Amino acid sequence: EAQVTQNPRYLITVTGKKLTVTCSQNMNHEYMSWYRQDPGLGLRQIYYSMNVEVTDKGDVPEGYKVSRKEKRNFPLILESPSPNQTSLYFCASSADRGRQETQYFGPGTRLLVL
Amino acid sequence: SQQGEEDPQALSIQEGENATMNCSYKTSINNLQWYRQNSGRGLVHLILIRSNEREKHSGRLRVTLDTSKKSSSLLITASRAADTASYFCATDAKAGNNRKLIWGLGTSLAVNP
Repeated sequence: EAQVTQNPRYLITVTGKKLTVTCSQNMNHEYMSWYRQDPGLGLRQIYYSMNVEVTDKGDVPEGYKVSRKEKRNFPLILESPSPNQTSLYFCASSADRGRQETQYFGPGTRLLVL
Repeated sequence: SQQGEEDPQALSIQEGENATMNCSYKTSINNLQWYRQNSGRGLVHLILIRSNEREKHSGRLRVTLDTSKKSSSLLITASRAADTASYFCATDAKAGNNRKLIWGLGTSLAVNP
């Protein structure tokens, strides 16, 4: 089954404790991205990747890191989480990196930073 | 208002009725997409309409696009309780040498049995 998986689905952590949210897709998609979703602010892109070893900042990259060492994986790293990073996070992938067409979303990771 | 702005923000209807939601945008686009999100879950792609298309159908969904007015509408016919969700439009916009998706804030649809 074609899908995007994220882990963990729920995470409670404390300020400053490094964490990684994993994302994997099995559709051989080139384009992958991370979003955060907050009430009243909608979906905002954090980082995106056009291909292996090619990543770029989205609209709200501060406090986040990503890497793309393999085509299928695109982990999101919070080196020193802060309470303002409490949010619902989504990973997404797409076959065509240029034309921004159908996005396939993961199930989401709900993060609470205390 | 921002690119990809939906209205209404919230809509409540009875099962069997039709639901119409609208999306407006500001810049020229190559395509416009509609997605559904069940509470707290991932977004699911519903339909994509290209800038040279005026109408598209998929099952009980009908999407129209008016590029002269920079607007789109999503019609869900014969709604069901399972259609209860938030609906988002996304438009592609030029971003440097690339394109990026601009998301609206969504329309929250409640279908009452």
